[in-house]
Amino acid sequence: DADVTQTPRNRITKTGKRIMLECSQTKGHDRMYWYRQDPGLGLRLIYYSFDVKDINKGEISDGYSVSRQAQAKFSLSLESAIPNQTALYFCATSDGGQGLETQYFGPGTRLLVL
Amino acid sequence: AQRVTQPEKLLSVFKGAPVELKCNYSYSGSPELFWYVQYSRQRLQLLLRHISRESIKGFTADLNKGETSFHLKKPFAQEEDSAMYYCALRGLTGGGNKLTFGTGTQLKVEL
Repeated sequence: DADVTQTPRNRITKTGKRIMLECSQTKGHDRMYWYRQDPGLGLRLIYYSFDVKDINKGEISDGYSVSRQAQAKFSLSLESAIPNQTALYFCATSDGGQGLETQYFGPGTRLLVL
Repeated sequence: AQRVTQPEKLLSVFKGAPVELKCNYSYSGSPELFWYVQYSRQRLQLLLRHISRESIKGFTADLNKGETSFHLKKPFAQEEDSAMYYCALRGLTGGGNKLTFGTGTQLKVEL
């Protein structure tokens, strides 16, 4: 679904570097999420935001920060990258609604921290 | 706390055979359950949700509150069903309405 885009798609960085992953959506959704995917661990929630003024920690927020610059943009930052942050990162948006919520995922950003 | 367990990392079946992908959950309130699927080189996408009681691509899933399960079933597997399947739970109380995913099951349909 091209309505949710992530940049960059691939990134290699070194330990200690600061990097930012960006997510944009044209679906008009208020809710946005950042997940990381690791083999054998599935998807784990890092941060989520239900509107521009709302930021919430997920289950694995340590070492990460986020910024919701606008309804359409939600950025994830690694202030000082470490090797165990090597993973596939997904952004998602949702339309909310009890029982009818669907999350729409971006294509993912593959991050390698050396 | 909410938790989703998918006990099988890999499930391999022959084309035409029945498929059952297991999902068990732990949640103290009334959950909403979903199955998401990721085909090769495609994005993760919603397959079905329990509240809709729907059949998508021949797949069905019934919420069994007594057994706290939401297994995904299909009577006859097709080659195009090969993908990674994630069970997910949304808790409506104390969980911030966020989704919790299981670890996923890779389904491989062999000819």
